[in-house]
Amino acid sequence: DAKTTQPNSMESNEEEPVHLPCNHSTISGTDYIHWYRQLPSQGPEYVIHGLTSNVNNRMASLAIAEDRKSSTLILHRATLRDAAVYYCILRDAGSGGSNYKLTFGKGTLLTVNP
Amino acid sequence: DGGITQSPKYLFRKEGQNVTLSCEQNLNHDAMYWYRQDPGQGLRLIYYSQIVNDFQKGDIAEGYSVSREKKESFPLTVTSAQKNPTAFYLCASSIPGAVHEQYFGPGTRLTVT
Repeated sequence: DAKTTQPNSMESNEEEPVHLPCNHSTISGTDYIHWYRQLPSQGPEYVIHGLTSNVNNRMASLAIAEDRKSSTLILHRATLRDAAVYYCILRDAGSGGSNYKLTFGKGTLLTVNP
Repeated sequence: DGGITQSPKYLFRKEGQNVTLSCEQNLNHDAMYWYRQDPGQGLRLIYYSQIVNDFQKGDIAEGYSVSREKKESFPLTVTSAQKNPTAFYLCASSIPGAVHEQYFGPGTRLTVT
């Protein structure tokens, strides 16, 4: 599985934008970039995913570098409820059973200050 | 409401006992998964099932067993052969496909003493 690198922790202030970086220099052409987040003592929840183009949804935006070797999850206005561990995951969308797997690293712990 | 339920939320067992964790989903998803999470760590895949009556080992299947007799249910048994069973166990489900968003349950925290 292609590997991702994220900072261990980041801090933000409430109502300010947050940019969470992820490096994935060994990404392959069929790898989707997925972001999940996990609130304390809960299961992870899907945030957003993309392949090549930038993506927006109600939760966040995903900015993907032109060479796809890095990406940034953008929370436009952080709230206290956004405090969580954010995971950047590459998922191979090629054929075969292995494309069902999500490999979670340690993620980035986001702290949001009031 | 559609979703994934795991029960119980907290489970305590004595060493040497097998224990079965429940996972039920009413999302009509074909694929289901079991993950384990240790403190400060990411999730590790134990087993996954793409369809009823079929399942595959994940990265850390030793000491665990599963069954998939119904689409809605994917129970995980932690056997006495699992050397470090104390952990947070998470079940997930998804619709196979390119997006493949996984929906997670609330988890079961298992403590074995």
